[in-house]
Amino acid sequence: AQSVTQLDSQVPVFEEAPVELRCNYSSSVSVYLFWYVQYPNQGLQLLLKYLSGSTLVKGINGFEAEFNKSQTSFHLRKPSVHISDTAEYFCAVNTGANNLFFGTGTRLTVIP
Amino acid sequence: KAGVTQTPRYLIKTRGQQVTLSCSPISGHRSVSWYQQTPGQGLQFLFEYFSETQRNKGNFPGRFSGRQFSNSRSEMNVSTLELGDSALYLCASSLIAGEDNEQFFGPGTRLTVL
Repeated sequence: AQSVTQLDSQVPVFEEAPVELRCNYSSSVSVYLFWYVQYPNQGLQLLLKYLSGSTLVKGINGFEAEFNKSQTSFHLRKPSVHISDTAEYFCAVNTGANNLFFGTGTRLTVIP
Repeated sequence: KAGVTQTPRYLIKTRGQQVTLSCSPISGHRSVSWYQQTPGQGLQFLFEYFSETQRNKGNFPGRFSGRQFSNSRSEMNVSTLELGDSALYLCASSLIAGEDNEQFFGPGTRLTVL
C-alpha cells in the first residue's frame, strides 16, 4: 500500500527567506512522486515530478525537490519565496492508472 | 490549447437530490480522473476513465458513478445526496494512462448540499 505524509500543516515564512516543505512516502512498489500547488479557488497545478534518474528535480516558479530513497522523502524547497507563493501545496504518489494518492497538504503563508 | 474545463463551477443542492458534474479534458487527452476534496478528508480519488472504460475506482459508495463519452468528455453523478457530499470535485485529464503520466487539473466544481 502507498501513503504520503506531509509533516507540516502550516508553514509561515518571511518574504525572500528559504522554505522547505516536507513529504515522506511509503510504498511497496516503484514510486512516481509529484508536488502540486493549489491557489485559492483554483484547481491543482503541477510544480514538479520525480519519475526516475536524477534525484534532484527542478520545477516551475523556482521550486525544486530531492528524492531520497533511503529516507523515503521528497521534500520541496525554494531558496527565496515571494508573496505570490502563498498557497496550499500537496505531495502525491501515483499508485497506477492515474490514481494519485495525496498528502494532507501544507499551507504556505509568505509574510511581507 | 484550452485547459480542462468543468461545469458548473458552483452548485447548490438539497439532501436526497442527485447531481451531474461535467468535465471536458484537454484536446487529445484520453484519460479522465475524478477527485473529491474536503477539509476533513483532503483529496481523495474517486475513479478514472480511459477510452470510455472505468479502469480504477476509489473507496466511495455506489451513489458515486461516472462515465466517459467517445470524445473523452466525462460526467460524474452523485445520487441521493448527503450533507457530507459537500466538497470541491476536481477533474484531471492526461494524455495516456500510466503511473508517470502528468495529470492536468480543472478548476473544480464546488458542490454544496443543504
